[in-house]
Amino acid sequence: GQQLNQSPQSMFIQEGEDVSMNCTSSSIFNTWLWYKQDPGEGPVLLIALYKAGELTSNGRLTAQFGITRKDSFLNISASIPSDVGIYFCAGQFGGNTPLVFGKGTRLSVIA
Amino acid sequence: DVKVTQSSRYLVKRTGEKVFLECVQDMDHENMFWYRQDPGLGLRLIYFSYDVKMKEKGDIPEGYSVSREKKERFSLILESASTNQTSMYLCASSGGQKRTEAFFGQGTRLTVV
Repeated sequence: GQQLNQSPQSMFIQEGEDVSMNCTSSSIFNTWLWYKQDPGEGPVLLIALYKAGELTSNGRLTAQFGITRKDSFLNISASIPSDVGIYFCAGQFGGNTPLVFGKGTRLSVIA
Repeated sequence: DVKVTQSSRYLVKRTGEKVFLECVQDMDHENMFWYRQDPGLGLRLIYFSYDVKMKEKGDIPEGYSVSREKKERFSLILESASTNQTSMYLCASSGGQKRTEAFFGQGTRLTVV
């Protein structure tokens, strides 16, 4: 099945630094979603994007739906230790089609 | 808030056993999904359902079946568990046409010995 290209695979950053990760696809999506997964838990929805060019924030998190509809990025500002986890992007063609996931970005924050 | 509940957090089963993983959602969502998650492979779709009694194969349906007799419940069945089905299993649901974001349960860590 199709998967998105998510990068980087992992990141080690100092507390207080900003973080950026992105996802690209060869196909157009109508929805882009970003999730965070803590160890041993299910993914939790962070941000949902429904329009090309849309820029949405959720606290220190900001995500954008690329103009081409083939990419999205997630920024985290002023990282803190609880930001540690795996971040997944997901795209959806629309309606009742399943989400297509990236392989995740593992974020480690050094205090 | 949407709640998706999986019946077990941890399960240990023997090879050859029939295993049932249950998932219940409380938001009247039409769509429900089962994924498995393995290190380095991300989330892979096993089966999904758009409505009661409907099911569609995902990317890796072999060795699995599903049942959706009621709208709120979606069961994943391992007909004869094998060690290569040791994994984290995640259930998700979504509401439909306009707001299509999916919400996940807490996951079931299945170990087959």
